[in-house]
Amino acid sequence: DIQMTQSPFSLSASVGDRVTITCRASQTISTYLNWYQQKPGRAPKLLIYAASSLQGGVPSRFSGSGSGTDFTLTISSLQPEDFATYYCQQSYTTPPTYTFGQGTKLEIK
Amino acid sequence: QVELVESGGGVVQPGKSLRLSCAASGFTFSSYGMVWVRQAPGKGLEWVAVIWYDGSDEYYGDSVKGRSTISRDNSKNTLYLQMNSLRVDDTGVYYCARVHYNSFDHWGQGALVTVSA
Repeated sequence: DIQMTQSPFSLSASVGDRVTITCRASQTISTYLNWYQQKPGRAPKLLIYAASSLQGGVPSRFSGSGSGTDFTLTISSLQPEDFATYYCQQSYTTPPTYTFGQGTKLEIK
Repeated sequence: QVELVESGGGVVQPGKSLRLSCAASGFTFSSYGMVWVRQAPGKGLEWVAVIWYDGSDEYYGDSVKGRSTISRDNSKNTLYLQMNSLRVDDTGVYYCARVHYNSFDHWGQGALVTVSA
């Protein structure tokens, strides 16, 4: 089974900061990597699909990159509404397994 | 607009069964694969099951395999998850979501399932 490992586990940052979250797959997943944002008590929201494609309606300060086993989610200038937990997810395997990373909690410094 | 509304959650004793439903609207339901994803209290996201757009195939996560069945009724625009032999560690919020470009692009608000004696 493919394991997804995010780092850091948690992160403190300030409004306006540039933030990067990393996701590593235990084996190559090409660009079958998605990023989600989840706020407390709310359903997850798709931010990035296929490693670098921005989901419609998502602000352009969010970007994704990577391929193979190493991926990053970058927020170019943190806004107050960006403080949340972020999850990566692989969708490479056949049959599907859709493994999520353990999550990265982004908190206000 | 796309809307997914889960129902059927509640409190159930260990070993019992429960069926969740997910009513879809705002898109052509029969054209999309659908999934269930769950989240235990204070924990991360766990994929539970996926069903193809036409119901022709389905797959399950290891934690529910053999105990759960995903199904759909395209005439009713509704997705289901039948869960049997429920365990305490099945407790959590269960979300349905739409599959699009190998990602989950729209999610319901979630249904809370509590397994407790």
